[in-house]
Amino acid sequence: DSGVTQTPKHLITATGQRVTLRCSPRSGDLSVYWYQQSLDQGLQFLIQYYNGEERAKGNILERFSAQQFPDLHSELNLSSLELGDSALYFCASSGQAGGTDTQYFGPGTRLTVL
Amino acid sequence: AQKVTQAQTEISVVEKEDVTLDCVYETRDTTYYLFWYKQPPSGELVFLIRRNSFDEQNEISGRYSWNFQKSTSSFNFTITASQVVDSAVYFCALSEADRQGGSEKLVFGKGTKLTVNP
Repeated sequence: DSGVTQTPKHLITATGQRVTLRCSPRSGDLSVYWYQQSLDQGLQFLIQYYNGEERAKGNILERFSAQQFPDLHSELNLSSLELGDSALYFCASSGQAGGTDTQYFGPGTRLTVL
Repeated sequence: AQKVTQAQTEISVVEKEDVTLDCVYETRDTTYYLFWYKQPPSGELVFLIRRNSFDEQNEISGRYSWNFQKSTSSFNFTITASQVVDSAVYFCALSEADRQGGSEKLVFGKGTKLTVNP
């Protein structure tokens, strides 16, 4: 158990809909990262938050957005869903003081868009 | 730009064989981190090891060992006496160091699917 929790574990929805994925980082970690794993693109970085502020952006679509709340949990919002958004979405956390960072991953949310 | 190449897409071995998973990386940074993660059939990503660019010592952990060579930009992973439970997809990843010395986004290779047959 990495200590990172993600809900829900599975999500099935229809095209055009909007969903929210939730992540709670390990206790004490300040950084949250979101990654998407799909068959064609592999594991790709989407976005990083550090202590509530956006730190870095990767290949995140404009239809996707994220935020990190004061209690450090994070949510990834996916809207106007398309079939191609079906993927496994991982959250990772890191950021213990001292900077010797390892990103620990949650169990992932499997999104299926029908 | 950073890049990680895992040339072996799939490897199949028989239990108790040794197997080496190759990882070659590209980066312009002098300070970076290298990682290996395991993704078993259940789907989670399990951290195995982190190496920083200044530490070229090889590491052994039980049946697992890692060979880091900056001269060839490689960070290879060897499983000795493989077991069926080692069957998984293994990912090599690279990250730059941020201003505080922590790691930033991970750039992953495509992964190597290892199947260990009884």
